[in-house]
Amino acid sequence: GENVEQHPSTLSVQEGDSAVIKCTYSDSASNYFPWYKQELGKRPQLIIDIRSNVGEKKDQRIAVTLNKTAKHFSLHITETQPEDSAVYFCAASRGGGADGLTFGKGTHLIIQP
Amino acid sequence: DVKVTQSSRYLVKRTGEKVFLECVQDMDHENMFWYRQDPGLGLRLIYFSYDVKMKEKGDIPEGYSVSREKKERFSLILESASTNQTSMYLCASKGHMGETQYFGPGTRLLVL
Repeated sequence: GENVEQHPSTLSVQEGDSAVIKCTYSDSASNYFPWYKQELGKRPQLIIDIRSNVGEKKDQRIAVTLNKTAKHFSLHITETQPEDSAVYFCAASRGGGADGLTFGKGTHLIIQP
Repeated sequence: DVKVTQSSRYLVKRTGEKVFLECVQDMDHENMFWYRQDPGLGLRLIYFSYDVKMKEKGDIPEGYSVSREKKERFSLILESASTNQTSMYLCASKGHMGETQYFGPGTRLLVL
């Protein structure tokens, strides 16, 4: 089955700086890669996703890049703000139908004032 | 606005009890999922369902079963709860055409 590795497990950055979280996956058939943000005590919320026919996707301060050859994808957050503090999860699936997601173990992002 | 609800936010049960966790979605989604979330382990897929009465095992199905008698409702059953099933349980749903999974608020289960 699929295996998703996520690094780092904790990331502390100064407010206004950029943050990068990296994930690798093992199943070459995976073609859908979402990122979820989970604030303390709340449910995971999708913040951005990318499909394998796209190399990069951007939404305001958030961007995701995908390298299918190397089987890795990354989340980039620019101009970090205190409200970006949360746990971020990457995930992968084959997409379509009822395919479940395989998640990374999460990155606790801490924004230092 | 997608709404996924779970029957309880917190639950305390004793070892050996039969436990039912319920999830309801109001978006007419075909696909529903149960995950458990543990610190340092992320979210792991227990079971999923792509239609009424249909179910598929996920990555960690041992000790669990599921039931989907109606499209909007997906139940997770712990036949005989054990302490290692103490966890946060998250339900999610997804439409047939879409990719996005929408999560419920979670049920924090403590098995004593």
